[in-house]
Amino acid sequence: KQEVTQIPAALSVPEGENLVLNCSFTDSAIYNLQWFRQDPGKGLTSLLLIQSSQREQTSGRLNASLDKSSGRSTLYIAASQPGDSATYLCAKGGGSQGNLIFGKGTKLSVKP
Amino acid sequence: NAGVTQTPKFRVLKTGQSMTLLCAQDMNHEYMYWYRQDPGMGLRLIHYSVGEGTTAKGEVPDGYNVSRLKKQNFLLGLESAAPSQTSVYFCASHLGPWNTGELFFGEGSRLTVL
Repeated sequence: KQEVTQIPAALSVPEGENLVLNCSFTDSAIYNLQWFRQDPGKGLTSLLLIQSSQREQTSGRLNASLDKSSGRSTLYIAASQPGDSATYLCAKGGGSQGNLIFGKGTKLSVKP
Repeated sequence: NAGVTQTPKFRVLKTGQSMTLLCAQDMNHEYMYWYRQDPGMGLRLIHYSVGEGTTAKGEVPDGYNVSRLKKQNFLLGLESAAPSQTSVYFCASHLGPWNTGELFFGEGSRLTVL
């Protein structure tokens, strides 16, 4: 069974810190890797999409990398702000039904 | 600029009742999905559709039915609700092609079955 694991499950940092969220996946067959943000009581918002042929994507203070050989992706957040507090989920494209396989997320809290 | 819209946003049912959740997207997307999100379980795929008139089972399809009569709408039905179906349901869509492209989510529908 394909799995996507996110560690840690929760993370608390002071404002201004740079931080890294981790995502690992089984099965090297991958179409893409997406990172999402979910605010409490809300849906998921796509942050970054890395195709299997790419190694990283950047958007503002966010940078996501993909290493297919090791089955890992990281989301780097620079100069964290309280507004970054949310749950971050990664999802691997390549499920047996063509769907995304989601991790359970990392709940990030950025303290002022 | 509506994107993906789910109705209703909240619903309380009694065991055995039936209901339908509606998902509508205005982005002309071919692919639509229904997920459920439960604490400690993450997001799990219920059913999906790769185009108008098509549906397929996902990871946890039992107790649910779906229909895609129009390209923009994807309906999720509960025939006889059970407490185990208490969850937050999310609809998502993307343009394709298959398994590529950014996935857009609705705001979710919170269902409680008593």
